[in-house]
Amino acid sequence: DVVLTQTPPTLSATIGQSVSISCRSSQSLLHSNGNTYLNWLLQRPGQPPQLLIYLVSRLESGVPNRFSGSGSGTDFTLKISGVEAEDLGVYYCVQSTHAPWTFGGGTKLELK
Amino acid sequence: QVQLKESGPGLVQPSQTLSLTCTVSGFSLMDYSVHWVRQPPGKGLEWMGRMKYDGDTYYNSALKSRLSISRDTSKSQVFLKMNSLQTEDTAIYYCTRDYFDYWGQGVMVTVSS
Repeated sequence: DVVLTQTPPTLSATIGQSVSISCRSSQSLLHSNGNTYLNWLLQRPGQPPQLLIYLVSRLESGVPNRFSGSGSGTDFTLKISGVEAEDLGVYYCVQSTHAPWTFGGGTKLELK
Repeated sequence: QVQLKESGPGLVQPSQTLSLTCTVSGFSLMDYSVHWVRQPPGKGLEWMGRMKYDGDTYYNSALKSRLSISRDTSKSQVFLKMNSLQTEDTAIYYCTRDYFDYWGQGVMVTVSS
């Protein structure tokens, strides 16, 4: 199974600060069809997860453009350019390239 | 609009069977796959299994011996059955569409006598 390792596990930020979260995969997430099925989710307290980024870097409809995704192969990054209070919660990466589907362990974004 | 809603018992006794239903609207189960994902209290997300749009299923190997996923396309419902429940199966159970773009609100299941 693909193992996704997220770092850091916890991130403290001030409002307006830019932060990055890393997601490293145990094997390449490049599918034979040329797509890389790596998504980023945000789970706010008491809520189900919501999709932020799909296919590494594509912004889901309605998601603010302060969120951006990058990477390829086995190394991926989610960047928030100017944290806002509504961004607090736990971020997960998830891969759909290889069955079984797997999630990263999560990164909790807190206010400093 | 796209919606998923989980339903089922909130409390299950140890060794019993859990039965959950995911009712979807705004899309067809013959066009999109549906996954089941669970989250123990205070912990991360665990992928459990998938009902593919063509009726094929795929399970987490750690749960495969206890888990069954089925569907009724006429009712737009996907079903989860898991037997031999233990306290460590206490979790919020979610259903989510295809590439995790839409999620239900989840149902909290507690395994306790």
